Amino acid sequence: GDSVTQMEGPVTLSEEAFLTINCTYTATGYPSLFWYVQYPGEGLQLLLKATKADDKGSNKGFEATYRKETTSFHLEKGSVQVSDSAVYFCALGMDSSYKLIFGSGTRLLVRP
Amino acid sequence: NAGVTQTPKFQVLKTGQSMTLQCAQDMNHNSMYWYRQDPGMGLRLIYYSASEGTTDKGEVPNGYNVSRLNKREFSLRLESAAPSQTSVYFCASRPGTVSPNTGELFFGEGSRLTVL
Repeated sequence: GDSVTQMEGPVTLSEEAFLTINCTYTATGYPSLFWYVQYPGEGLQLLLKATKADDKGSNKGFEATYRKETTSFHLEKGSVQVSDSAVYFCALGMDSSYKLIFGSGTRLLVRP
Repeated sequence: NAGVTQTPKFQVLKTGQSMTLQCAQDMNHNSMYWYRQDPGMGLRLIYYSASEGTTDKGEVPNGYNVSRLNKREFSLRLESAAPSQTSVYFCASRPGTVSPNTGELFFGEGSRLTVL
C-alpha cells in the first residue's frame, strides 16, 4: 500500500546550519506531497506542498522538490533558527482517496 | 478565528470507562478526520468523514466509533477504554470533495487521553 518513510530523529543542529530531512514515498499513482510542522503543545500545520512532479513547494525559508524519479520529497532550509525546533511530518495524498498518509515524524532541535 | 476546536484537552479514564471526544470546525469544510499520535508511529487515521452523512474506517478503527452529527461536528467515542488507547488524539478538517487530496488539512490542538 501507499506509505511514507522519513529519516529517524532527533536531528540536532546549531543555529544557522543547513537542514535536510529526508522523505521517500511509495504510491501507486501520482500523489500530492506535503510537509507539516508541529510545534510543542500544538496541532500540525501545513508548511508546504507540491501536487505534481518537479513542483517545488516553499514557505518560511523551507523548500522541498517533488522528485518522481527518486520518489522523494526532501525538506531543506539554508539557515535554521531556534524557532524552527519542532516535529516535521511528510505526508502523501492520492486523488482516489480522502486519506492523508503521514510519516512517523522527525524531531528537529536547533541550539543557539 | 476558532478553526478546529477539540474538547476535552486532557482526560484520564479507568479501563472499561467510556467517553466521547468532541470536535467542531467553523470553516464550512466538507471532510473531517480523527487521528491518533503515538511516539515513533506518527499519525494514524482512525476514522474519517468525506462529507456530511458519511463515515469510513481508517487504519486503526478498532475500539472506536464516530458520529458526523452535522457538517460542523465529528465526535469520536471510546465505548470501553483500554490502556492501548492512551494517546494524543487530533481532529482535522479539509475543504473539498473535489480533488480532495490536494487540499490542506487543518488540525485541532489535540486531546491527551490516558487510560489507567
